[in-house]
Amino acid sequence: KNQVEQSPQSLIILEGKNCTLQCNYTVSPFSNLRWYKQDTGRGPVSLTIMTFSENTKSNGRYTATLDADTKQSSLHITASQLSDSASYICVVSPGDYKLSFGAGTTVTVRA
Amino acid sequence: NAGVTQTPKFRVLKTGQSMTLLCAQDMNHEYMYWYRQDPGMGLRLIHYSVGEGTTAKGEVPDGYNVSRLKKQNFLLGLESAAPSQTSVYFCASTFRTENGYTFGSGTRLTVV
Repeated sequence: KNQVEQSPQSLIILEGKNCTLQCNYTVSPFSNLRWYKQDTGRGPVSLTIMTFSENTKSNGRYTATLDADTKQSSLHITASQLSDSASYICVVSPGDYKLSFGAGTTVTVRA
Repeated sequence: NAGVTQTPKFRVLKTGQSMTLLCAQDMNHEYMYWYRQDPGMGLRLIHYSVGEGTTAKGEVPDGYNVSRLKKQNFLLGLESAAPSQTSVYFCASTFRTENGYTFGSGTRLTVV
């Protein structure tokens, strides 16, 4: 069964600090990997999409990396802000509708 | 541009009751999806549609039905609600499957 595992399950960081979230997957075939941000009570919002040939992509203070050989991805948040408090979801696509979602990492940023 | 709109936002049902969740998108997207999100789990696909008049089963379709009579609308029905259907339901749409999805804000359903 295709799986997407995220770690840690949750983390707390101080405002202004950096953090890195991890995503390991076993999905095959592989088309692209997506990171979504989900605020409490809202739907997920796309941050980045990376294909097999891309190993890094940035969206403002968010930088995602992908190692398709080891089937690992990370999302790095730089200079965190209170508004970064959310759940971050890793999603792997085989190229059709069968997206595999991770359970998410809950990030809490404290002043 | 509203994106993806879900109604209602909250609902409490008694076991055995029926209801319909509505998803509307104004982006002319072909593909539409219904997911459920449960604590500690990733989103799971219930049903999906690849265009007007088409529907197909996803990962967890039992107890649900869908219809896509118009391109912009995707309805999710529960004929006889069960407590196991207590969840947060998300609708999503996209122009192409390799593109990012646009999600609605969700419907929180409680079945008692």
